[in-house]
Amino acid sequence: GQQVMQIPQYQHVQEGEDFTTYCNSSTTLSNIQWYKQRPGGHPVFLIQLVKSGEVKKQKRLTFQFGEAKKNSSLHITATQTTDVGTYFCAGKWNTGNQFYFGTGTSLTVIP
Amino acid sequence: DGGITQSPKYLFRKEGQNVTLSCEQNLNHDAMYWYRQDPGQGLRLIYYSQIVNDFQKGDIAEGYSVSREKKESFPLTVTSAQKNPTAFYLCASSIRGSGYEQYFGPGTRLTVT
Repeated sequence: GQQVMQIPQYQHVQEGEDFTTYCNSSTTLSNIQWYKQRPGGHPVFLIQLVKSGEVKKQKRLTFQFGEAKKNSSLHITATQTTDVGTYFCAGKWNTGNQFYFGTGTSLTVIP
Repeated sequence: DGGITQSPKYLFRKEGQNVTLSCEQNLNHDAMYWYRQDPGQGLRLIYYSQIVNDFQKGDIAEGYSVSREKKESFPLTVTSAQKNPTAFYLCASSIRGSGYEQYFGPGTRLTVT
């Protein structure tokens, strides 16, 4: 079936360091979404990317969609303890109606 | 106060019993979804519904059933046929299906012993 691969599975950073998580698909995606899930919480939508090469920013978060629409990344600049949680990407292909979630990257920020 | 509610937060059942998880939304969203989350794994789609009285199987529908008789409600039944039912179950909705952001409920943690 369809799969979105996400790496790394875990990341520990010192507060103030940068963080990046990557998602990859073997075939072209139509859309990709990013979600954040705090420990013990539920996923919260962050952003959706639809265009080839798209870059969107939300304060310290930068989201990119690759030119071939097969990969995406989320980069956090100067992490803070409030960034702790698991970040999921969810990709959708042109065929079908559902989004497929990556396995997530769990971010720990050490104060 | 708009949103998605799931109840209960924790649910315990004996093996062999069916159990129904509740999901209600007052966002006036057309589409609703059920996901299962296991440790170290992403969210896997069980069922989704894009309109009332219609639903489709996701990747892991075996052992589960749903109904969508009202726009606001999308209950999930975990049947005794589901081999590994212990998991965290998340309900979500979106304004329409296919390509819109999903709003998640707080989840129900089901433990079957």
